[in-house]
Amino acid sequence: EIQLQESGPGLVKPSQSLSLTCSVTGYTITSGYDWSWIRKFPGNKMEWMGYISYSGSTNYNPSLKSRISITRDTSKNQFFLQLNSVTTEDTATYYCARYFNPLGYWYFDFWGPGTMVTVSS
Amino acid sequence: DIVLTQSPALAVSLGQRATISCRASQSVSISRYNLMHWYQQKPGQQPKLLIYRASNLASGIPARFSGSGSGTDFTLTINPVQADDIATYYCQQSRESNTFGAGTKLELK
Repeated sequence: EIQLQESGPGLVKPSQSLSLTCSVTGYTITSGYDWSWIRKFPGNKMEWMGYISYSGSTNYNPSLKSRISITRDTSKNQFFLQLNSVTTEDTATYYCARYFNPLGYWYFDFWGPGTMVTVSS
Repeated sequence: DIVLTQSPALAVSLGQRATISCRASQSVSISRYNLMHWYQQKPGQQPKLLIYRASNLASGIPARFSGSGSGTDFTLTINPVQADDIATYYCQQSRESNTFGAGTKLELK
């Protein structure tokens, strides 16, 4: 079965960059679908951040477009999130997920367990 | 952005029916596709897909879960509610980008 696992620092200082890794097992990320980052803020609001497709193209939430970058390492079957110039407003639990994207579908079918990131000095 | 509105909480008794609603600020349907999906999240766990395209049961999800709706109004029904169903339920639309509702916390009465 497909499994995703997030990893990265749990504490980031304001103005620095947040960097997370999603390791995927059970499916090769270049075989298909889109590979997403989603975050859940304290208080439960959830926000889709962006994805990298199986071909390497990216699509970002316009609200983050100037600060976000999603890349991948196909040799390790991993994809990455970088969010620049973080503030305390970026404190959240970050999830990676597969975006099931055949025509007319478009939902998140497999999720990682999430990793909590706190932005604080 | 398409805004999804959910009631914050719903209290139900075990064995009864729970009806959770999600209203979109504009239609999330394209042709025959109703691009509304439902997730269950328990504390400390990741969201789990329950229903896709408004009414289709995801793999491994019990038949006591069902979904309905089109356009701007959608419903997730759990019947009968079991203790394991106590969780927060989120709707998500994929008609325009992806947005989530704020979640409905299902509680025991």
